Amino acid sequence: DAGVTQSPTHLIKTRGQQVTLRCSPKSGHDTVSWYQQALGQGPQFIFQYYEEEERQRGNFPDRFSGHQFPNYSSELNVNALLLGDSALYLCASSVTGAYGYTFGSGTRLTVV
Amino acid sequence: EDQVTQSPEALRLQEGESSSLNCSYTVSGLRGLFWYRQDPGKGPEFLFTLYSAGEEKEKERLKATLTKKESFLHITAPKPEDSATYLCAVHPSGGSYIPTFGRGTSLIVHP
Repeated sequence: DAGVTQSPTHLIKTRGQQVTLRCSPKSGHDTVSWYQQALGQGPQFIFQYYEEEERQRGNFPDRFSGHQFPNYSSELNVNALLLGDSALYLCASSVTGAYGYTFGSGTRLTVV
Repeated sequence: EDQVTQSPEALRLQEGESSSLNCSYTVSGLRGLFWYRQDPGKGPEFLFTLYSAGEEKEKERLKATLTKKESFLHITAPKPEDSATYLCAVHPSGGSYIPTFGRGTSLIVHP
């Protein structure tokens, strides 16, 4: 049984560019959450998707947007990249109503 | 605002030297407290869930305990393979399913 799959694993982008990160949740999970983790910091909540809708959002600017597809997979889009967006982006899936998360291995984004 | 503070930020142990990591939290109501292990460049891996004060969970050399204000992760006779960052997260009660994470404790166990 595959866990949470994220792609790509690493990415290098230039300031001002746009990026799309992808996540396939664990089988049986219907909720996807995205986190940003800077080096030496804990994961910071970006937003959560359920039933193809953004259910809750953290303190991130509108440059960060997302989408959830009918098969529960999800995308995170970041526009107008800044150097400070360099981080490990984590996708976590869960079952609605439950409190356990399964994390993917993350996408390491470097903005130069 | 929910807050989670982990201490120490970093801990170096010799193999076999037992110690404890601390996670103190401030939430309006606690639905559950989670411990994760994170290896460098990887996503967090679930270890334990604790729901009420007095609860304890064990897994190999790790034991997690919970009080009304903090949780401890006790590591007994650690081995080098226990080296990782240990993250604590709290799920508040109420309508939000979003956990708040601490910054983690980086543990290095020397052979």
